[in-house]
Amino acid sequence: EAEVAQSPRYKITEKSQAVAFWCDPISGHATLYWYRQILGQGPELLVQFQDESVVDDSQLPKDRFSAERLKGVDSTLKIQPAELGDSAMYLCASSPKREIKNIQYFGAGTRLSVL
Amino acid sequence: GESVGLHLPTLSVQEGDNSIINCAYSNSASDYFIWYKQESGKGPQFIIDIRSNMDKRQGQRVTVLLNKTVKHLSLQIAATQPGDSAVYFCAETKNSGYALNFGKGTSLLVTP
Repeated sequence: EAEVAQSPRYKITEKSQAVAFWCDPISGHATLYWYRQILGQGPELLVQFQDESVVDDSQLPKDRFSAERLKGVDSTLKIQPAELGDSAMYLCASSPKREIKNIQYFGAGTRLSVL
Repeated sequence: GESVGLHLPTLSVQEGDNSIINCAYSNSASDYFIWYKQESGKGPQFIIDIRSNMDKRQGQRVTVLLNKTVKHLSLQIAATQPGDSAVYFCAETKNSGYALNFGKGTSLLVTP
């Protein structure tokens, strides 16, 4: 069964350092999402791509976060500099096409701890 | 602002009993809802979805009910098993469409 791949699974960093997360969506899925999930809460959207284009980054803290999906396949989410409040699970999801009723499939996530 | 929320943060049921997890939403324009299951250390896993033009949908051991009048949906799990222990989230489409707006989750604990 095809899965969304994410790496690393865990990342520990010190505040003010740079971190990067990688996501490889299910093959053929045009839409890719990055969510942040704080412990005990539901995921919150950071950024959404349709192919290589950003279609929603209204909740992305652009002073420190950046995301790219250069060839419309895999994607990288970067934080620079990391802050203590960035500690969370970063989830990547993909769906076949940008329609309301398409199911989003999630990866296992990257657990970030900022010390 | 508009939000999706859950009535109970935790639910404990005995193995073999039926479970009901509830969710309230405030955006009357929401037209698509999904239930996800999240086990510890894993990403959310799709369970079942329902469109706003339906009031009930059944899957394998699961049923989702939607009451648009009171903006409420529920997930029913029949014959709950230990493997059903997880956090369950309801989610709905955002006003702008496409991305999902998640609630805070209900933790389901199945006891022997």
